[in-house]
Amino acid sequence: NAGVTQTPKFRILKIGQSMTLQCTQDMNHNYMYWYRQDPGMGLKLIYYSVGAGITDKGEVPNGYNVSRSTTEDFPLRLELAAPSQTSVYFCASSAGLSNSPLHFGNGTRLTVT
Amino acid sequence: QQPVQSPQAVILREGEDAVINCSSSKALYSVHWYRQKHGEAPVFLMILLKGGEQKGHEKISASFNEKKQQSSLYRKASQLSYSGTYFCGTDNAGNNRKLIWGLGTSLALNP
Repeated sequence: NAGVTQTPKFRILKIGQSMTLQCTQDMNHNYMYWYRQDPGMGLKLIYYSVGAGITDKGEVPNGYNVSRSTTEDFPLRLELAAPSQTSVYFCASSAGLSNSPLHFGNGTRLTVT
Repeated sequence: QQPVQSPQAVILREGEDAVINCSSSKALYSVHWYRQKHGEAPVFLMILLKGGEQKGHEKISASFNEKKQQSSLYRKASQLSYSGTYFCGTDNAGNNRKLIWGLGTSLALNP
């Protein structure tokens, strides 16, 4: 029962560096999402995907890129990291129906200095 | 478009009830409720859909008023495990692709 797995759990980046946050799910869900959560705030949608090969922007996509080559994997790429990208990142998946809950990974805590 | 949650925080004594509200300025298709403990991922509690369908844990009690565009979650402070931050996510389009999340309501128990 792995569910949604995110790696790494923690990461410190210097300004201008790049990295990829990994996310994989084993529930055969079509929908996958990337959220960021800043302290004391709710979740903000970065990107989402409704199936392999299909991605779309959420509320706060600037500075990020995604790809979805398989149903299982949905990596998030940060190019040219900035301090404003310091946050906790959550990946989630769902079956995509209107009554489908989201299953979240355990999060990646990213600090950009 | 962000739903408004109230109260921002609540402290309960054992046996007291809490009502957490989630209001939207737009018509709602569904409302999701999740609880998040500090440093952990949000955990699903319940989905309430337009038309009356509900899906979630049996011990969770919630309501959905379509006309008022709001939902309420009811919690009784009988267990320390109920503490955490409760978030509502609203779906205005009926496809769960872009849930909009409230800022959360912090629930703490006074032992």
